[in-house]
Amino acid sequence: DGGITQSPKYLFRKEGQNVTLSCEQNLNHDAMYWYRQDPGQGLRLIYYSQIVNDFQKGDIAEGYSVSREKKESFPLTVTSAQKNPTAFYLCASSPRDGGYTFGSGTRLTVV
Amino acid sequence: QKEVEQDPGPLSVPEGAIVSLNCTYSNSAFQYFMWYRQYSRKGPELLMYTYSSGNKEDGRFTAQVDKSSKYISLFIRDSQPSDSATYLCAMGQIYNQGGKLIFGQGTELSVKP
Repeated sequence: DGGITQSPKYLFRKEGQNVTLSCEQNLNHDAMYWYRQDPGQGLRLIYYSQIVNDFQKGDIAEGYSVSREKKESFPLTVTSAQKNPTAFYLCASSPRDGGYTFGSGTRLTVV
Repeated sequence: QKEVEQDPGPLSVPEGAIVSLNCTYSNSAFQYFMWYRQYSRKGPELLMYTYSSGNKEDGRFTAQVDKSSKYISLFIRDSQPSDSATYLCAMGQIYNQGGKLIFGQGTELSVKP
């Protein structure tokens, strides 16, 4: 079945540590997105990519980095520069003219 | 002012009630409109997708868009406990603007048996 796979489901980060969240899709979608979801704030866009080897900053890119070396993959690194990383992270993909398909999310907690 | 405003709720209704969920927006460039449903600790799933003003029906769900008033609604008829979830409106411009969707804050709905 086609879809988006995010891993891990739960992730714990120590202070000063970088962590990478995985996102893989087999839908042959061109565009991929990373959102952060906090209670009461909806979804906020971190980064997005419309094509391989190209990506753009969203509204809250500071403290995050991404890469898009393959069409299927769009990993997100939460760096130590992100001072408040505890949140639910959602990856999504879309075709050129259609709605998003979301992954099941990664819940990141700072310990 | 946020580009998209959605009443965060929570909204609690008895089983069988008609539910109305609403969003307003300020950007007249938005061309397509969506509603997503998100169960707790899950990713959102697409419910309804429309480009034009007017109504679009799918089973118990009806999406309504009024571009002149910059207002969209989702109606749920004969609501069921399984409809209990957070509902997110989303809207976007044409693809070469980045394909980005702007989401509302989400409305938490609880349908009581």
